[in-house]
Amino acid sequence: DTGVSQDPRHKITKRGQNVTFRCDPISEHNRLYWYRQTLGQGPEFLTYFQNEAQLEKSRLLSDRFSAERPKGSFSTLEIQRTEQGDSAMYLCASSLDRSLNRETQYFGPGTRLLVL
Amino acid sequence: LAKTTQPISMDSYEGQEVNITCSHNNIATNDYITWYQQFPSQGPRFIIQGYKTKVTNEVASLFIPADRKSSTLSLPRVSLSDTAVYYCLVGPGGGADGLTFGKGTHLIIQP
Repeated sequence: DTGVSQDPRHKITKRGQNVTFRCDPISEHNRLYWYRQTLGQGPEFLTYFQNEAQLEKSRLLSDRFSAERPKGSFSTLEIQRTEQGDSAMYLCASSLDRSLNRETQYFGPGTRLLVL
Repeated sequence: LAKTTQPISMDSYEGQEVNITCSHNNIATNDYITWYQQFPSQGPRFIIQGYKTKVTNEVASLFIPADRKSSTLSLPRVSLSDTAVYYCLVGPGGGADGLTFGKGTHLIIQP
């Protein structure tokens, strides 16, 4: 399967714990995005990488959230001191820079986080 | 970014053609119109993208009038498996940025 993969698919944690999610993009894609989606809402943009550089962060990305893409391939999203409000689906997407038409982002299956 | 407005939900039946219209009155000159589909517990999936007139692929057609203030996603001969949430997005071509999703249209196909 050459699509975007995310691990784990589900995570249950207690409030105050740290969690880390991993995203493996489509291999030749140089751009990687993280989104968060709560029930009944569309995905909300969190942050974006071009290769290993984090180029944009949403105001939704509080200081408890950190994302890395150390070698320009896979990425991790860490949430420290989780809160119940962090419960959501965390989606990763990747794309290839075409610099012409609006790029197509390819989404992974998501990691569903439940904070108790 | 141009704001989009689309129906919250729609119902149809298997075999019918479904048209979902999206309003984007403030679309900018360099904005493209893109539609994504999302099934429960899955990430969104790109369906179609257009700038003006009509675009067709193996899944859907996208109709964009000359003023580009709206667009219509057309799904021919829907099946039960087309039950999903459909998102209309408007944004500039070139470069990269996070996509702005609204609440989408929940399409329910009945037998």
